Amino acid sequence: GIQVEQSPPDLILQEGANSTLRCNFSDSVNNLQWFHQNPWGQLINLFYIPSGTKQNGRLSATTVATERYSLLYISSSQTTDSGVYFCAVEQVTDSWGKLQFGAGTQVVVTP
Amino acid sequence: DAGVIQSPRHEVTEMGQEVTLRCKPISGHDYLFWYRQTMMRGLELLIYFNNNVPIDDSGMPEDRFSAKMPNASFSTLKIQPSEPRDSAVYFCASRTSFPGQGVPLNEQFFGPGTRLTVL
Repeated sequence: GIQVEQSPPDLILQEGANSTLRCNFSDSVNNLQWFHQNPWGQLINLFYIPSGTKQNGRLSATTVATERYSLLYISSSQTTDSGVYFCAVEQVTDSWGKLQFGAGTQVVVTP
Repeated sequence: DAGVIQSPRHEVTEMGQEVTLRCKPISGHDYLFWYRQTMMRGLELLIYFNNNVPIDDSGMPEDRFSAKMPNASFSTLKIQPSEPRDSAVYFCASRTSFPGQGVPLNEQFFGPGTRLTVL
């Protein structure tokens, strides 16, 4: 199956700092999503981004499908950004709808 | 829409008991997924349905686990008998394959999860 690698595994930020999270995947995909799992365990949809660039407030994401990676940018981080960020992909050749998750990046934003 | 609804939110049971987790997908969504999240294995897909029919159950760990979707608005995941290693957070997710509903095709939306503890 497809491999999904996220880096870094852990990130500690001071409030107001910017950061970049990376997701590498091993095969062509027709779906890529970024999620934020907050400290209460809820999985929040951030972006559906199989290719291209999107922005939502302080967050933005870019997927370069031909090079098999995606980046999530957090600007002017806030303590509410703390949690785990997951990248998940659906392989083109795999069963329809099957999302494969990366291991996540644990982000802690300190005041 | 209220989003994906799961119940109960927390379940504590004793080894050997039957556990039933419930999910209501987003109205109009034709795909429903069950995931399990553990520290050791992360988020893994257990089974998914399309139009109430199970499509891929290769992630179901063993025969103690079963899932049903009797209609488009309800699904259950049952564990019988439960074991301590089943302790995890179980998520339900749904998505639509019908264009024109205001969200991208293929985007999955997750419920709040059920935290299961088997003693």
